[in-house]
Amino acid sequence: EPEVTQTPSHQVTQMGQEVILRCVPISNHLYFYWYRQILGQKVEFLVSFYNNEISEKSEIFDDQFSVERPDGSNFTLKIRSTKLEDSAMYFCASSGQPGPSSGNTIYFGEGSWLTVV
Amino acid sequence: QKEVEQDPGPLSVPEGAIVSLNCTYSNSAFQYFMWYRQYSRKGPELLMYTYSSGNKEDGRFTAQVDKSSKYISLFIRDSQPSDSATYLCAMIDYRDDKIIFGKGTRLHILP
Repeated sequence: EPEVTQTPSHQVTQMGQEVILRCVPISNHLYFYWYRQILGQKVEFLVSFYNNEISEKSEIFDDQFSVERPDGSNFTLKIRSTKLEDSAMYFCASSGQPGPSSGNTIYFGEGSWLTVV
Repeated sequence: QKEVEQDPGPLSVPEGAIVSLNCTYSNSAFQYFMWYRQYSRKGPELLMYTYSSGNKEDGRFTAQVDKSSKYISLFIRDSQPSDSATYLCAMIDYRDDKIIFGKGTRLHILP
């Protein structure tokens, strides 16, 4: 069964460092997402991406965050200067065309656990 | 009022019992309703996906949506220890592609 894959599975970084989280969405999907889950809290939407641009972003997704689809397969989330409160599990997700609000479901990756120290 | 409310549990039931998990919501624009299962430190796994009001059955799982009451349910029949996980309800506003999750209910099936 096709799946969304994420790397790294776990990263520890020092506060203030830049982090890049990588994702390979399901191959025929066109809508891409990042969500995060702080330990013990709910999964929260960060950003959606379609046609090489951000479709929607939440208030969490401030100037420290950026997303990119550098080639035909990868989708990355960059955090420019990490803060302690960025420690969370980051989930990449993808869905087919059109997006989930038209009936296509979203499939999540296993997550990248980020620890900022 | 929070957009999606879900009792975090934990909920412990004996193996073989019927499990009922529920969420309430406040946003009338939610049109798509989902249930995800999440094992510890793993990604959410889609279990059920329904559109608008009604029931949907898939094996031991039944999802129920009552839009008039803004209430959704997931029933698990013949529960197994492998069903032990956190169950997240989730909803999509028809105007955008954001999924709004409940906080999740931790379920323990006791052998």
